[in-house]
Amino acid sequence: DAKTTQPTSMDCAEGRAANLPCNHSTISGNEYVYWYRQIHSQGPQYIIHGLKNNETNEMASLIITEDRKSSTLILPHATLRDTAVYYCIVLYNFNKFYFGSGTKLNVKP
Amino acid sequence: GAVVSQHPSRVICKSGTSVKIECRSLDFQATTMFWYRQFPKQSLMLMATSNEGSKATYEQGVEKDKFLINHASLTLSTLTVTSAHPEDSSFYICSARGSQGFNNEQFFGPGTRLTVL
Repeated sequence: DAKTTQPTSMDCAEGRAANLPCNHSTISGNEYVYWYRQIHSQGPQYIIHGLKNNETNEMASLIITEDRKSSTLILPHATLRDTAVYYCIVLYNFNKFYFGSGTKLNVKP
Repeated sequence: GAVVSQHPSRVICKSGTSVKIECRSLDFQATTMFWYRQFPKQSLMLMATSNEGSKATYEQGVEKDKFLINHASLTLSTLTVTSAHPEDSSFYICSARGSQGFNNEQFFGPGTRLTVL
């Protein structure tokens, strides 16, 4: 199963873009990259996912490098409510999520 | 997105008793449900995978006789912590995945906080 590496924590000013990096250098060709976030003491919330191409939805954008060994989640205009732990996950065998340690994003006023 | 509920949201029990946690998919049929455990300041750890109508598959190191999982219908899975002890105190989270149109996305429940005294 592909492992992911993320920075432990990041700070972002309110209203600015938050760019959260993730390394997944052992990813296989058919494994998707998913991003979830967890606000304190709640269940994880789906953000976005992708395979090769960049993706965008109402919450965020996902940029995946051409070699697929890393990706970046972009929250275009971070708000205080975006403070959470963000998890980058590679879907293993089209079935299971193995969560890494995630990045604690602190959005500051 | 699809909604997954858990009941109860928190439970306190005495050491040696058994506790059942329910996980329901409210607006879709979940062919696969997953159970995770999360200790304070740690990440989610996958405990087991259950498919409707079959036995659960447990991750390495998870005691199947202690954590009984039943997935009897397409909308309900239960986790029973048998003979609970203080070290079983944790945040238990389930997720559910539908059979079609969800791109393998998992929808997570709000979690159940178990405290064993």
